[in-house]
Amino acid sequence: AQKITQTQPGMFVQEKEAVTLDCTYDTSDQSYGLFWYKQPSSGEMIFLIYQGSYDEQNATEGRYSLNFQKARKSANLVISASQLGDSAMYFCAMRENFGNEKLTFGTGTRLTIIP
Amino acid sequence: ETGVTQTPRHLVMGMTNKKSLKCEQHLGHNAMYWYKQSAKKPLELMFVYNFKEQTENNSVPSRFSPECPNSSHLFLHLHTLQPEDSALYLCASSQGLAGGHTGELFFGEGSRLTVL
Repeated sequence: AQKITQTQPGMFVQEKEAVTLDCTYDTSDQSYGLFWYKQPSSGEMIFLIYQGSYDEQNATEGRYSLNFQKARKSANLVISASQLGDSAMYFCAMRENFGNEKLTFGTGTRLTIIP
Repeated sequence: ETGVTQTPRHLVMGMTNKKSLKCEQHLGHNAMYWYKQSAKKPLELMFVYNFKEQTENNSVPSRFSPECPNSSHLFLHLHTLQPEDSALYLCASSQGLAGGHTGELFFGEGSRLTVL
């Protein structure tokens, strides 16, 4: 079974609108971490935001927020007031077993911001 | 300058060639990783090194040979590759989970490999 599922291969969003990128995960661990990365056309994977499984508050970093719904095993990324520079691939990732530093990635969502 | 630097950025090689990918991190991290990114597939973890010691080999074919001479440098030696090995190879480093860190990975820009 897929550990990380991103069901939206591609999305088109008007500039300045908010966008939600979906991510669901599968784990039987109680302790885990969830990450979102952005990959522009240059290739570099850029860390955006992190949510720990025991964090009660949703993580926020500037225009990025993570809508964490633990019971549903969902960790959606919300980008507010989208900008042209947000056009990129976005990957959700999970680290299981605190102490294990491996990240498992989803297949990604290609986000295109339309002027 | 990025914290993780990969060279070369692009590489074209024949199936009988021997080449190497290089990764250097300037972040003082102790863990380094090789990931393979193929089109329409999730990133695949290949190797993990902690304090220069290999701690993970994710069933990678022996035609890929990693080397980690110190905590700042990581190489991926390539020989007798196949066309299906064409992909973007990403290096990453991490300071791990000690001290309350999240274990996030810091990536380089990748080496785009084409095997003819």
